[in-house]
This record gives sequence, structure tokens and C-alpha cells, in this order.
Amino acid sequence: GEDVEQSLFLSVREGDSSVINCTYTDSSSTYLYWYKQEPGAGLQLLTYIFSNMDMKQDQRLTVLLNKKDKHLSLRIADTQTGDSAIYFCAEGGSGTYKYIFGTGTRLKVLA
Amino acid sequence: SAVISQKPSRDICQRGTSLTIQCQVDSQVTMMFWYRQQPGQSLTLIATANQGSEATYESGFVIDKFPISRPNLTFSTLTVSNMSPEDSSIYLCSVLAGQETQYFGPGTRLLVL
Repeated sequence: GEDVEQSLFLSVREGDSSVINCTYTDSSSTYLYWYKQEPGAGLQLLTYIFSNMDMKQDQRLTVLLNKKDKHLSLRIADTQTGDSAIYFCAEGGSGTYKYIFGTGTRLKVLA
Repeated sequence: SAVISQKPSRDICQRGTSLTIQCQVDSQVTMMFWYRQQPGQSLTLIATANQGSEATYESGFVIDKFPISRPNLTFSTLTVSNMSPEDSSIYLCSVLAGQETQYFGPGTRLLVL
């Protein structure tokens, strides 16, 4: 079956870089997404990468995609306390518009 | 992108009752989705709601329990029927906008006693 896995927790110090990892299983996915969920809020789209790209950078965010290993990562540079949230990766776009969400990584930023 | 609102934002309900959740989007969209996020869990797709046709439900979800309406291209409702404590979750709607990108509402936090 389809399974998108993430590590459950990550703790970093303010100012350091955070790297959140994700492994997925559907090689036909067209897009891979990163969403952020702050406490008591819905999901905010952070960024996404097309499956034929290796890397995408957007300000403090860098997405790396390794299609061979089905591995996706999100790097947050200069992590701030406002980055504390749950981060979900999702795969989708394989013709059905359905997303498969990862288990979510809870990022805690220590001041 | 799209701006999405949901009502109510939260509710506490008694078992056996039903709750209807509304989702409003600021532009016309073809595809809307309803998700459930159980406490501490990831998101699970309940159904896809297209205007002018019946909703398409995912495995494990049925229309009698989660009836959905989609009267126009900017609005949808999800009803959680005959609720039990196991239905306590966050319910989120999303819309497909742009190129295969989903945007989410703020969610409805439901507690069933």
C-alpha cells in the first residue's frame, strides 16, 4: 500500500538549520508538497516540488528530492521560534488529485 | 491560492446527535475535499465533493455517516451523523487551486461526549 513516513519529532536551537525528512512510496507522484500546521490551525502550504526537479529554494526553505530513493527533505535555514509547528509532507498529482499525507514531524525550536 | 473559511471553528456535541460543518471559498473551484485528522494523527481523506454530482467516498467512509452537499462552486457542507466519541477529530476542507495544489481551511475541532 501507499505509505508516507516521517520522523515524529525534531528539536533545534533558534538560529540553527532544521532538516525534516520524508520517504514516500508512489513513484508516479507528480508533485510533492510540504505543509505546516501551527497549533489550533489548519494546514498552510509552504512549498512544493515537481517530480522532475532535484531541488527548489524559496527564501529560507530548501526542498531536496531524491527520486531514486523516494526521499524528500525540507531544510529551514535560520530556524525561528515561529517555525515551531507540525510539518507534513504529501505526495500527489498522479492523475487523481488525491494526496497521501505523511505522519507529520513536530518541530520544536528552542530559544 | 484560495481563502477558505469553515464554520463552526469548534464544537462540543453529545453522542447520537449530528453536526453540519460549512466550508466557504472565496473563488469558484471545481474540486473540494473533506479530511479528518484524529488527535495526534495525520490527515485522512473522507471524500471528494464535486458540484453537480454525488461525493466520492474513500474506503471506510460512507454517505449515511458523512453526507456531503456541494450546491455551488464556492460552498460545501459535511455532516457528521449519529456521532460517537470516536468521531472527535479535526475536520478540514480543502480546495484544488492552481496546478494540482490543495489549499486548506482552518479546520473544525469537534469533541463528542
